[in-house]
Amino acid sequence: EPEVTQTPSHQVTQMGQEVILRCVPISNHLYFYWYRQILGQKVEFLVSFYNNEISEKSEIFDDQFSVERPDGSNFTLKIRSTKLEDSAMYFCASSKETNNSPLHFGNGTRLTVT
Amino acid sequence: TQLLEQSPQFLSIQEGENLTVYCNSSSVFSSLQWYRQEPGEGPVLLVTVVTGGEVKKLKRLTFQFGDARKDSSLHITAAQPGDTGLYLCAGAYDMRFGAGTRLTVKP
Repeated sequence: EPEVTQTPSHQVTQMGQEVILRCVPISNHLYFYWYRQILGQKVEFLVSFYNNEISEKSEIFDDQFSVERPDGSNFTLKIRSTKLEDSAMYFCASSKETNNSPLHFGNGTRLTVT
Repeated sequence: TQLLEQSPQFLSIQEGENLTVYCNSSSVFSSLQWYRQEPGEGPVLLVTVVTGGEVKKLKRLTFQFGDARKDSSLHITAAQPGDTGLYLCAGAYDMRFGAGTRLTVKP
């Protein structure tokens, strides 16, 4: 069964550095998402992306964050100038359609900012 | 954004017991999804409920969507250690999750 893949599985970076988290969504899916989960806490929506542009973003997704679909397969989340509080699991998800369509999640990237 | 409240936040039970967890909102949902997240993994969809009053069964799991489509419940019969995980509900329109119920089933 096709799956969403995320790389790296674990990223350690120093405060102030830029990181790029990568995702390969399922190939025939059209909607892409990033979520964040701080250890032991809820899964928080960051951003949704469709037709090469952001559909919706949460208040967490400030100017520090950006997303891109640089080619036909990858979907990336860039965090500029990381902060300690950016340490979390970052999950990518994709769906075939919107509304009622299941989200397929990757296994996440654990970002540790030191 | 439709806010979802899940209860209880934590639940620890013995193998073989039954349990129910809840997902509530003050808003009406067009549809709602339940996911389970195991440690170190992303959430996995269990079910989507669409019609008010709908009941769906997935082996020992029974999902119910309230008549007014503002709430949903998940009932697990004869829980097993493999049911341990974080159970999340999400509005299928805006794809926001509740805080989840963290279930631990002890052998």
